[in-house]
Amino acid sequence: DQQVKQNSPSLSVQEGRISILNCDYTNSMFDYFLWYKKYPAEGPTFLISISSIKDKNEDGRFTVFLNKSAKHLSLHIVPSQPGDSAVYFCAARSNRDDKIIFGKGTRLHILP
Amino acid sequence: EAGVVQSPRYKIIEKKQPVAFWCNPISGHNTLYWYRQNLGQGPELLIRYENEEAVDDSQLPKDRFSAERLKGVDSTLKIQPAELGDSAVYLCASSLPGGHTEAFFGQGTRLTVV
Repeated sequence: DQQVKQNSPSLSVQEGRISILNCDYTNSMFDYFLWYKKYPAEGPTFLISISSIKDKNEDGRFTVFLNKSAKHLSLHIVPSQPGDSAVYFCAARSNRDDKIIFGKGTRLHILP
Repeated sequence: EAGVVQSPRYKIIEKKQPVAFWCNPISGHNTLYWYRQNLGQGPELLIRYENEEAVDDSQLPKDRFSAERLKGVDSTLKIQPAELGDSAVYLCASSLPGGHTEAFFGQGTRLTVV
């Protein structure tokens, strides 16, 4: 039973355009959401997060949107750059037990 | 500031052999996690420590896996005996306590069981 779902295994986006990565969750106890970026042979690197009391958080080229009623969040990267090519993991945390649950990831390819 | 340090980076062993992984978390991080990541999947939590106490080990296959975090700092994860299906990347992460903090990951140990 996947509590955090990333339904797109991969995504290709032209350099300079906007990349939109989506994530859905099922557990209403989640109240903190995170995005991680992972390059091959490296551990995941924290990118951006959002608390459930907000609907948007922005950090430079990265913006995360949260729709609590739909249990959906998305990561927007604009403009997309070649170095953004990586696997992106959506993760969720519950204040009840501090467990962090990850989705399966979306591989983003930035095309020249 | 040093990040989460894991060793070894790579390990190849024959099935039925034991193996151990070591993790040194970020200084001051009371919470430590061990995750397993299979190919094409996201990290799956094996065990979570708050200081030296294992507060969540519900996903740890206790018949062959064990972990310890003596003195609430470094941690080791052991598999004995290893099976072919244990081949994966084992990730250690640490974070400050509290719900709204991010976890920082080490580079992981890639285990291959042959």
